[in-house]
Amino acid sequence: QSVLTQPPSASGTPGQRVTISCSGSSSNIGSNTVNWYQQLPGTAPKLLIYSNNQRPSGVPDRFSGSKSGTSASLAISGLQSEDEADYYCAAWDDSLKGVVFGGGTKLTVL
Amino acid sequence: EVQLVESGGGLVQPGRSLRLSCAASGFTFDDYAMHWVRQAPGKGLEWVSGISWNSGSIGYADSVKGRFTISRDNAKNSLYLHMNSLRAEDTAFYYCAKGSGQWLNHAFDIWGQGTMVTVSS
Repeated sequence: QSVLTQPPSASGTPGQRVTISCSGSSSNIGSNTVNWYQQLPGTAPKLLIYSNNQRPSGVPDRFSGSKSGTSASLAISGLQSEDEADYYCAAWDDSLKGVVFGGGTKLTVL
Repeated sequence: EVQLVESGGGLVQPGRSLRLSCAASGFTFDDYAMHWVRQAPGKGLEWVSGISWNSGSIGYADSVKGRFTISRDNAKNSLYLHMNSLRAEDTAFYYCAKGSGQWLNHAFDIWGQGTMVTVSS
């Protein structure tokens, strides 16, 4: 059971906007920033969003992140077939003194 | 080019030990924290351990505490994970990841391709 809770799956059609939620607690999301990772099939994870809503260089602005209280979300607009991947949220946990991940959300582009 | 290359994975019997290595290049290694993250076959990501830029701060997941030891050699631009008393549930792809800051609570901005560890008799 993951410390951060994500829906196991999400889906959308090309061009659509989809959001993925990530729920935590006061010791992780509530007091630290959230990062999002994208893992394309058969590849290593890649940083997608850091510090709640910042995009590393090279990440399209179709990807955006937000945080409110003990929850965060990742939004993908103008969905494309190449966005089909697993998405993970993560945050530092002050109680566990370590990084905690969500269980991952498998995004399917229909 | 910023790069992380893991090595040392393989098939090992339960209860035995293994040491993973991660060779870093393309950035100032001793300016950043480093981490190990694992992924069991068909499962999600699990943070295993992290070490700050100067080895002054180290953290472990509860699942490996007391069995695994993380270390780094800044002179060799290398990160290590010493794994003892291995169990079947340690079977996973192990990724080396670079922190985006000096301490453990920053995002992982660069990932290696991973090395597979299989614990089986």
